[in-house]
Amino acid sequence: QSALTQPASVSGSPGQSITISCTGTSSDVGTYNYVSWYQQHPGKAPKLIIYDVTNRPSGVSDRFSGSKSGNTASLTISGLQAEDEADYYCDSYTTSSTWVFGRGTKLTVL
Amino acid sequence: QLQLKESGPGLVKPSETLSLTCTVSGGSISSSSHYWGWIRQPPGKGLEWIGNIYYSGSTHYNSSLKSRVTISVDTSKNQFSLELSSVTAADTAVYYCSRRVGGSGRRDFWGQGTLVTVSS
Repeated sequence: QSALTQPASVSGSPGQSITISCTGTSSDVGTYNYVSWYQQHPGKAPKLIIYDVTNRPSGVSDRFSGSKSGNTASLTISGLQAEDEADYYCDSYTTSSTWVFGRGTKLTVL
Repeated sequence: QLQLKESGPGLVKPSETLSLTCTVSGGSISSSSHYWGWIRQPPGKGLEWIGNIYYSGSTHYNSSLKSRVTISVDTSKNQFSLELSSVTAADTAVYYCSRRVGGSGRRDFWGQGTLVTVSS
């Protein structure tokens, strides 16, 4: 199972919006609405910010939103804040009854 | 509040077996609504799903690790465990345990992670 494809890095200025893509195949992202997004600050465990493509866990800012089209899922962060600087990972369920993560995207807030 | 905590040796010799335990507190591992899993992250690299287990003992593993991985559950201790055999330096990573809601991709609780180094 190959890792999902994410851009290695993205950047934006405070207040701006950015979007991180997560591209898979018809064996994972394209078939299931089980795509999640995680935020990871250095030295910390990942934190769930979006699950099942569009759902936000309680307590997660509504500045975070998710979507999907075909084999590509996307995470959008609006009103960028300094605290959003972190690594972001997507994951998806697969037709093999397994899970696969993306390679991760480093977000820099300029 | 549910908590997960990994425990086990921080140093394992090459060719030996890595063994870790995840202790769940604040909730029951015998929940029919959840799956329990292991994920690892080599230093400076991304996350890799290792596998998961249901309280009944049903498992699924990453195909690239399947020949070396065993995940088991001990409901009496509210714990689940990971064994990874024949380790090499490539298995050096922070190992996380986590909980996922069944019928969903919602991996909502994670342990703090534990670094395991493979070295002689």
